[in-house]
Amino acid sequence: EVQLVQSGAEVKKPGESLKISCKGSGYSFTSYWIAWVRQMPGKGLEWMGIIYPGDSDTRYSPSFQGQVTISADKSISTAYLQWSSLKASDTAMYYCARRPRGSGSYYNYFDYWGQGTLVTVSS
Amino acid sequence: SYELTQPPSVSVSPGQTARITCSGDALPKQYPYWYQQKPGQAPVVVIYKDSERPSGIPERFSGSSSGTTVTLTISGVQAEDEADYYCQSADSSGTYYVFGTGTKVTVL
Repeated sequence: EVQLVQSGAEVKKPGESLKISCKGSGYSFTSYWIAWVRQMPGKGLEWMGIIYPGDSDTRYSPSFQGQVTISADKSISTAYLQWSSLKASDTAMYYCARRPRGSGSYYNYFDYWGQGTLVTVSS
Repeated sequence: SYELTQPPSVSVSPGQTARITCSGDALPKQYPYWYQQKPGQAPVVVIYKDSERPSGIPERFSGSSSGTTVTLTISGVQAEDEADYYCQSADSSGTYYVFGTGTKVTVL
């Protein structure tokens, strides 16, 4: 069974750093892209970026480039999303999601999702 | 940046048909996908590659496309279909992914 299990909720202060995780199981972690998606309170879904754990090829949405860092450790089948200096506006639910294996538009979607990690940034 | 536009809300009576549109310039080049998100839950894909349904998704969910607009149709709406729905695709190069603005479906 394919599963993406995310780390637990976090409460941080502005200016602090944070790294949240997404552990994949039940499939070949290195062969599938993993994306991160933000959902601010009461708002819609926003694609942040995506990483291929096999070679760490990473792409960022222009809206998030320079604001976050996406990484992966294939030895433990885990992808990460990190901030060096959090802002109150980073308060949101963050989801990781798997892209199906294959090239081209036919596969440009997300078939499995993590349960989400709620990040709260408040002084 | 590339955007996909959806109506904010759609209201429908049980048993009727709900249609949710999604507009974007690159939709003729990139497949559209649809997700359902219920409160407190992660999104679930209900339509992929224009009109395919993953296993476990009821037949009342269908997708269609015409030029720069794609449509999710829910035929014979049931109370359990009340949720937020998002279209998703990619820009014309296929490099960047994007979600639509989202539509709240209310079952009256």
